[in-house]
Amino acid sequence: EVQLVESGGGLVQPGGSLKLSCAASGFTFSNYDMYWVRQGIGKGLEWVSVIGTAGDTYYPDSVKGRFTISRENAKNSLYLQMNSLSAGDTAVYYCARAVVPAAMPDPHFDYWGQGTLVTVSS
Amino acid sequence: SYELTQPPSVSVSPGQTASITCSGDKLGDKYVCWYQQKPGQSPVLVIYQDNKRPSGIPERFSGSNSGNTATLTISGTQAMDEADYYCQAWDSSTVVFGGGTKLTVL
Repeated sequence: EVQLVESGGGLVQPGGSLKLSCAASGFTFSNYDMYWVRQGIGKGLEWVSVIGTAGDTYYPDSVKGRFTISRENAKNSLYLQMNSLSAGDTAVYYCARAVVPAAMPDPHFDYWGQGTLVTVSS
Repeated sequence: SYELTQPPSVSVSPGQTASITCSGDKLGDKYVCWYQQKPGQSPVLVIYQDNKRPSGIPERFSGSNSGNTATLTISGTQAMDEADYYCQAWDSSTVVFGGGTKLTVL
């Protein structure tokens, strides 16, 4: 059974840092692109980072330079280092497994974790 | 940047057909997928690659995508289908989500 379990969320002051983790099980972790997707309270979904199987990373402008995604395949783990946090980063953060069809690069997310809440407040 | 537009809300009577749209420039040239999210839960994939259903998703869920609009259709809507629905596509190496549609079954 595929499982994704996030941890590391909590309350952090503006300007502070936090590192999230996602423990994966039930599949060959190294074979999949992995994403972090966040959801502000009462708001929609927003992707915040992706790491490919080769370790390539991409970020939207909203977090570029502040967030760093990484993976440790030997530990089946995904990470998100978040720096210079502001109130706008307050959200539930999900890790998600991406499936990319062979014919087109368009991914979809077939498994999501339960999410971990990050609250940025003084 | 690419945008996907969904109606904020859709209402449907039990047993009727619900249609939720997702609009974007030349969306028909891209794959679209749909997620269902119930309160306090993580999103669940209900349609991928425009019209494919993952294992375990009821047949009443179907999808289409043409031109500038993708549509999620729920036939014989049940009370358990009340949830938020998000479309998602890919553009310029970026994942794009629609703003979400709250489906009310009343």
